[in-house]
Amino acid sequence: DAGITQSPRHKVTETGTPVTLRCHQTENHRYMYWYRQDPGHGLRLIHYSYGVKDTDKGEVSDGYSVSRSKTEDFLLTLESATSSQTSVYFCAIMTGTGWNEAFFGQGTRLTVV
Amino acid sequence: RKEVEQDPGPFNVPEGATVAFNCTYSNSASQSFFWYRQDCRKEPKLLMSVYSSGNEDGRFTAQLNRASQYISLLIRDSKLSDSATYLCVVNSGGSNYKLTFGKGTLLTVNP
Repeated sequence: DAGITQSPRHKVTETGTPVTLRCHQTENHRYMYWYRQDPGHGLRLIHYSYGVKDTDKGEVSDGYSVSRSKTEDFLLTLESATSSQTSVYFCAIMTGTGWNEAFFGQGTRLTVV
Repeated sequence: RKEVEQDPGPFNVPEGATVAFNCTYSNSASQSFFWYRQDCRKEPKLLMSVYSSGNEDGRFTAQLNRASQYISLLIRDSKLSDSATYLCVVNSGGSNYKLTFGKGTLLTVNP
């Protein structure tokens, strides 16, 4: 157990509303990531963080923003949700030591109607 | 060429069979390699890191060929519980440790 908690686990929201997903870790890892997973696309990186207030874009960052004000929390915000953002969102941490394995949260299933 | 490419599958095998998954990656500077398994509607979980010399963990053997930019996973004596999607994952290295995932290969082991 890598101590990663995502909230909420499920959410239904309306098009045009802002949505924030939270990722919380208990083990002080430096690297945190947000992915989305869709059929036919696999896991795609949205944004990642390599320290407090240090973030960068991934391959599918349009329409998303992130913040990391504390080591343990990495927030993903959908500024104005669209139906194309209906997906399963996974947060991950990377140990940053040894082989740099990544460990995932249980996922958030988001539906935009 | 896609960054990480896997056999599209799906694979359907009987219990006890040996099954092999293949993966190629395009970034020759990639530094570390992994196999993850993902059960339906669950998060990916680390199955094995792939070492340069190859490594084995029980019924699972992973191999890396840097010259060919190729990774493989062999599962011997398949069990029903091995049914899952297997993801090839590559760490591109550099200062920010970005992981790139293959799309995964679905394995179903039949009784």
